[in-house]
Amino acid sequence: EVQLVESGGGLVQPGGSLRLPCAASGFTFSDYYMDWVRQAPGKGLEWVGRIRNKANTYTTEYAASVKGRFTISRDDSKNSLYLQMNSLKTEDTAVYYCARDLGTRGGDYWGQGTLVTVSP
Amino acid sequence: DIQMTQSPSSLSASVGDRVTIACRASQGVRNDLGWYQQKPGKAPKRLIYAASSLESGVPSRFSGSGSGTEFTLTISSLQPEDFATYYCLQHYSYPFTFAQGTRLDIK
Repeated sequence: EVQLVESGGGLVQPGGSLRLPCAASGFTFSDYYMDWVRQAPGKGLEWVGRIRNKANTYTTEYAASVKGRFTISRDDSKNSLYLQMNSLKTEDTAVYYCARDLGTRGGDYWGQGTLVTVSP
Repeated sequence: DIQMTQSPSSLSASVGDRVTIACRASQGVRNDLGWYQQKPGKAPKRLIYAASSLESGVPSRFSGSGSGTEFTLTISSLQPEDFATYYCLQHYSYPFTFAQGTRLDIK
């Protein structure tokens, strides 16, 4: 069974940093691209970014709203995905989901999400 | 960036109704489009991929159509568990973009 479990959410002050891990199981993690998606309270879904697999040299893509502040990385030896968030703003307050390869025909899977609150 | 627009933004319907939600892309996305259902407090669940292919395990009352810039999600006969928010997502080009969503509630 495919499982994705995010953690690391919490309250952080504006300008602060936070790192969100996502633990993957039930599939060959190293084969897949991985995505982060967020959802502000009461709002719609926003794609945050993607990291490709080793075969595609772990290259990344980001939404303009987070580019230069957020970094996506992965550790295939630990079946883990990460979202490093720096220079956080109040508008980054959201539930953050990790997802397996959005758009793939093999089925995309999502974690349960972790809430990040950016507030003074 | 490709802008995705759904209509309507909200919809009230009854059990047994046929419902159609439209999604329009600001430029062509081929068939690189998925439809998601989200219930309160839960992660989104994909219903349709490649614009018209039904995800495994999803009831056949859900269907998708379209290509290029115009897409639709149809629920042929609404069931109580279908009341939720629906989103389309284009994954044709970066940045991927979701539409704003359609909230479907009980009339």
